[in-house]
Amino acid sequence: AQSVTQLDSQVPVFEEAPVELRCNYSSSVSVYLFWYVQYPNQGLQLLLKYLSGSTLVKGINGFEAEFNKSQTSFHLRKPSVHISDTAEYFCAVSSPGYSTLTFGKGTMLLVSP
Amino acid sequence: KAGVTQTPRYLIKTRGQQVTLSCSPISGHRSVSWYQQTPGQGLQFLFEYFSETQRNKGNFPGRFSGRQFSNSRSEMNVSTLELGDSALYLCASSLVRGPGANVLTFGAGSRLTVL
Repeated sequence: AQSVTQLDSQVPVFEEAPVELRCNYSSSVSVYLFWYVQYPNQGLQLLLKYLSGSTLVKGINGFEAEFNKSQTSFHLRKPSVHISDTAEYFCAVSSPGYSTLTFGKGTMLLVSP
Repeated sequence: KAGVTQTPRYLIKTRGQQVTLSCSPISGHRSVSWYQQTPGQGLQFLFEYFSETQRNKGNFPGRFSGRQFSNSRSEMNVSTLELGDSALYLCASSLVRGPGANVLTFGAGSRLTVL
């Protein structure tokens, strides 16, 4: 079975500050890893994904994440956040060849001026 | 290219009724998955359909069912609604082979309120 732990339910940060949203996973098999963002009253939008290759993955809106197999982590980072980044962020894991995602509980990123 | 389209976006039902939600996947995507999102349980996998066959199923009671049509459109049905079925129901579609296979694109969701 797979599981995902997002260590922070809420992360408050000031505009233009850097941010890191933490994600750890558990799996007995190799994994694909994803970050999705959800704005109010909307569905999930894919930010970035790790399938294979380089462990540093760049996504949309200036976000990036690093896959660390030894730490079983996939933390999301942005060097300078904007007010518009305020949203809920979900880390998810799947197995190669399967589309079914196991999600973390989500981290609410609150960006204030 | 149109995204994943879910209808209706909002609906209100009463306990004991049933509901049908619809999902049109991205053109060319033949796999459709459904997820339930609630404040308490978060995002939970309901089921996945491919070529009109249920390929995978989550841990939900038999009141939750789905189907897929030959054009890849999918519907899910919840019978004998309970208060706890109030949730955002998200549909997602994906390719099944090639670049981008098994990477889910989500719709905006159908928000169900059960009174």
